[in-house]
Amino acid sequence: KQEVTQIPAALSVPEGENLVLNCSFTDSAIYNLQWFRQDPGKGLTSLLLIQSSQREQTSGRLNASLDKSSGRSTLYIAASQPGDSATYLCAVKSYNTDKLIFGTGTRLQVFP
Amino acid sequence: EPEVTQTPSHQVTQMGQEVILRCVPISNHLYFYWYRQILGQKVEFLVSFYNNEISEKSEIFDDQFSVERPDGSNFTLKIRSTKLEDSAMYFCASSEIRGQETQYFGPGTRLLVL
Repeated sequence: KQEVTQIPAALSVPEGENLVLNCSFTDSAIYNLQWFRQDPGKGLTSLLLIQSSQREQTSGRLNASLDKSSGRSTLYIAASQPGDSATYLCAVKSYNTDKLIFGTGTRLQVFP
Repeated sequence: EPEVTQTPSHQVTQMGQEVILRCVPISNHLYFYWYRQILGQKVEFLVSFYNNEISEKSEIFDDQFSVERPDGSNFTLKIRSTKLEDSAMYFCASSEIRGQETQYFGPGTRLLVL
């Protein structure tokens, strides 16, 4: 059974720092992995999707990498801003299933 | 930019009542999903839907739940007889191609069962 874990659970950093959020999964036979942002009481905003054949994806200040063999993905946020404050979720999709399996998230606070 | 919409944003109901949560997926998407998130817990998959039938459901999606696409735009989740433990945020999602592409999520409906 696929399990997804995210560390750290919470992170508080000053504005301008580069930071790394971690996601690990127990079954490496994934089809893709998606990173989301969730603001308090709000929906999920998709940030990046990495297919199993890819090693990384970039969007603006965000870079996500995938190491399937070790069951890990990282989300790198460059030059963090207070507007980046949110909970970041990773979710994996395995073969032969429609569902995304989510981690518990990393709650990020970037202070001015 | 196209987005998934959900109504209502909040719903309060009494235990045992029926509720219908509504979603309008992105117009050219063919695959639809419902997830839920109990406060403080992980987002959990409930059901996926394609070509007017359920393609996959989780163990949470028991007989009290049903889904329907009543017309060309809406996608609904019905809970027949709500329980206290059904209180959660319910998210609808859609994707263009099964599994290969991003699932786009709506803003959610917060359901509170009293």
